Amino acid sequence: GAVVSQHPSWVICKSGTSVKIECRSLDFQATTMFWYRQFPKQSLMLMATSNEGSKATYEQGVEKDKFLINHASLTLSTLTVTSAHPEDSSFYICSASQGLNTEAFFGQGTRLTVV
Amino acid sequence: AQTVTQSQPEMSVQEAETVTLSCTYDTSENNYYLFWYKQPPSRQMILVIRQEAYKQQNATENRFSVNFQKAAKSFSLKISDSQLGDTAMYFCAFINNNAGNMLTFGGGTRLMVKP
Repeated sequence: GAVVSQHPSWVICKSGTSVKIECRSLDFQATTMFWYRQFPKQSLMLMATSNEGSKATYEQGVEKDKFLINHASLTLSTLTVTSAHPEDSSFYICSASQGLNTEAFFGQGTRLTVV
Repeated sequence: AQTVTQSQPEMSVQEAETVTLSCTYDTSENNYYLFWYKQPPSRQMILVIRQEAYKQQNATENRFSVNFQKAAKSFSLKISDSQLGDTAMYFCAFINNNAGNMLTFGGGTRLMVKP
């Protein structure tokens, strides 16, 4: 199957700093990627839809100025957590699909800890 | 809006036995796709099985099979000959034709396979 690579796998940062997470489709082009947040023992919560060459679409309740998404190419989307706070600590996962209504391939996830 | 419900937060099964995980969904769409994803302790999301709503035949992948009841909006996953490596969170997910590749996830079922 297709491969989606997410980097870094884990990161610790200080409160007030910003953290960038990358999501790459390694062997296919993805016009759309998705960013999820997952709390312990819970399901994946969709944060935003990343669209190549245009603005991301954010789900209700997700601060777009807090979670900056850039999808500058067909193989790369980035999520930047700006001015991170301890409550932003979570597991973040990206996904991408090769075509419409096909299975989603997920990145390995990023565990963010803000201290 | 679509919703996906997994009514069993946790389940356990003895190794080599069979277990069924339930999933119901709600949609007004007629054309859609259903998936079961597995999330082991590594937290990497892995596709287990996929079902197209227009297909009456239940999907099967080796030890994994589904019971798709479209009228009842039910999509259960049966795992036969359970193995220790099946221990994971299992998520039922839904895509409809009009939402691109945006997945709607159920709350998940934590499955423990006991030796």
